[in-house]
Amino acid sequence: SAVISQKPSRDICQRGTSLTIQCQVDSQVTMMFWYRQQPGQSLTLIATANQGSEATYESGFVIDKFPISRPNLTFSTLTVSNMSPEDSSIYLCSAQDTSGGYEQYFGPGTRLTVT
Amino acid sequence: QKEVEQNSGPLSVPEGAIASLNCTYSDRGSQSFFWYRQYSGKSPELIMSIYSNGDKEDGRFTAQLNKASQYVSLLIRDSQPSDSATYLCAVLSGSRLTFGEGTQLTVNP
Repeated sequence: SAVISQKPSRDICQRGTSLTIQCQVDSQVTMMFWYRQQPGQSLTLIATANQGSEATYESGFVIDKFPISRPNLTFSTLTVSNMSPEDSSIYLCSAQDTSGGYEQYFGPGTRLTVT
Repeated sequence: QKEVEQNSGPLSVPEGAIASLNCTYSDRGSQSFFWYRQYSGKSPELIMSIYSNGDKEDGRFTAQLNKASQYVSLLIRDSQPSDSATYLCAVLSGSRLTFGEGTQLTVNP
């Protein structure tokens, strides 16, 4: 299974600022994803990070607010822009294992608090 | 109707008992099904995947899939206190993974 790391693990940010979260996978993967998990809730898919093309966003999420980069097959970033307290959440990166089935593995997450 | 629904819980079982977690899904075209375990403050950890009807066993865990009924379950035999966590059912449609709300399991010593 893929091993995924994220940076930063947590941050406290002021409203109106932006934070970029990095996700690194230890092997090349075709599909990478970004999720949000709000306290006490399940995971919501923000977007699929496509290598070499624009990310595919889910309903309710837009590129201006959550720009995503995918420069290669092992790395992606998610930026949370112009933050408000409602953006306080855990942001999770995942990668889909392409060696066999369709399992997705998750990074440790980034806990974001916006004040 | 939610795309993926789980028994809401919380579920509490004594140590050594069988814990049964259930999940239904709405997209009949879904082909891949997963169970994740999430400890408090941690990210989800994949524990089981199942792709065809029937049972799949891995140690103390058994996943069951019935596509006709659009139903997936996870059985945990000989439950241990270390199994106490939230269990998330996830269904893959295309490349999109949709999660249920999760079932919180507590195993009492």
